[in-house]
Amino acid sequence: DAGVIQSPRHEVTEMGQEVTLRCKPISGHDYLFWYRQTMMRGLELLIYFNNNVPIDDSGMPEDRFSAKMPNASFSTLKIQPSEPRDSAVYFCASSSLNQPQHFGDGTRLSIL
Amino acid sequence: AQTVTQSQPEMSVQEAETVTLSCTYDTSESDYYLFWYKQPPSRQMILVIRQEAYKQQNATENRFSVNFQKAAKSFSLKISDSQLGDAAMYFCAYRSHGGGSEKLVFGKGTKLTVNP
Repeated sequence: DAGVIQSPRHEVTEMGQEVTLRCKPISGHDYLFWYRQTMMRGLELLIYFNNNVPIDDSGMPEDRFSAKMPNASFSTLKIQPSEPRDSAVYFCASSSLNQPQHFGDGTRLSIL
Repeated sequence: AQTVTQSQPEMSVQEAETVTLSCTYDTSESDYYLFWYKQPPSRQMILVIRQEAYKQQNATENRFSVNFQKAAKSFSLKISDSQLGDAAMYFCAYRSHGGGSEKLVFGKGTKLTVNP
């Protein structure tokens, strides 16, 4: 079975550019999560969706970050404009109700 | 808000020996889930083991077992017969059960080194 698929695996871009991270959840999962991992702050939940609807976006750092889930098989996390402090590994995960979350391989984002 | 604390930033173990990683958490809820995830250098997040708070029996998955002490809010992971492939970051995580919240709260992690 295909797991959670994230793209790109690595992204290097210059400050001020728009960055779009993509995620395809496991088929049949109705929850989708975006996490950010940094050395300083560890793993933090940014936002999660249930049935394509955002449920909790309290972890989204600021207005430069936005996330969408237009359908059950695709989600994006966008940063515009990007800043060096956004450099991190971004994970997408999916699950069904009361089941463990399955993580993608993450996107390592470097903002120069 | 719930918090998860892993007090050991780094641990090491000899191959074939046993090691225990500590985790404590703070919550006012009575029903919840606890997890251990492994993150090897490849960066994947791999579920190791899961415990439901209402179950008194400690979860076991092959060489991995937990010591769940609900009153003490403690959830340690024991790895028996350690193998080189066990070297990784290990994260303890908490999730509510019910109340509509599926979010995971993670500890800061413990880096495990396995020495040959």
